[in-house]
Amino acid sequence: DVKVTQSSRYLVKRTGEKVFLECVQDMDHENMFWYRQDPGLGLRLIYFSYDVKMKEKGDIPEGYSVSREKKERFSLILESASTNQTSMYLCASSWGTPNSPLHFGNGTRLTVT
Amino acid sequence: QKEVEQDPGPLSVPEGAIVSLNCTYSNSAFQYFMWYRQYSRKGPELLMYTYSSGNKEDGRFTAQVDKSSKYISLFIRDSQPSDSATYLCAMSDAGGTSYGKLTFGQGTILTVHP
Repeated sequence: DVKVTQSSRYLVKRTGEKVFLECVQDMDHENMFWYRQDPGLGLRLIYFSYDVKMKEKGDIPEGYSVSREKKERFSLILESASTNQTSMYLCASSWGTPNSPLHFGNGTRLTVT
Repeated sequence: QKEVEQDPGPLSVPEGAIVSLNCTYSNSAFQYFMWYRQYSRKGPELLMYTYSSGNKEDGRFTAQVDKSSKYISLFIRDSQPSDSATYLCAMSDAGGTSYGKLTFGQGTILTVHP
């Protein structure tokens, strides 16, 4: 079974802090994604990566950056956390083919106070 | 207007009922249509996948796509309490799917009570 592991289940950070969310997948997938999930808004794509050191902006990249130095690891960085970044963050990975589903981690609930 | 619209519910049905979940979309380039199920405190998992128009059946689940109406549906027959979850529709054009870049609906919260 594919496993996508997010390093933290819950995080509480203060406004202005730099925050790192880590994600590791064990299936050698080319593609990795960061989504945030908010009530009434569904899942929105923040950034994705289709190869090591490659990244593409999603629909809501403002206030975020990402890093992919190794194929299995994709990090989401909040340079200066703000309260409107309080959310559930979901990492996902997939093969780079049309039929391949996204495999999600169980999410990190981030609260910025 | 959102590209994908989904009634968030919540939807509450008795065990054994037929459940109908729906999404509408505006982007005519969408060709790949998926339904994900998300249990509480878990990540979404793929439930059904359909390419272009038509029906697909898997056990108690049937997915329908009507591209002419830009409308997709998921039917659950003989619903069970274990079906209680949030159901998310997702879709993509061909280029987006090659990267797995999906556009999701808001999700419908379903509760099946015994």
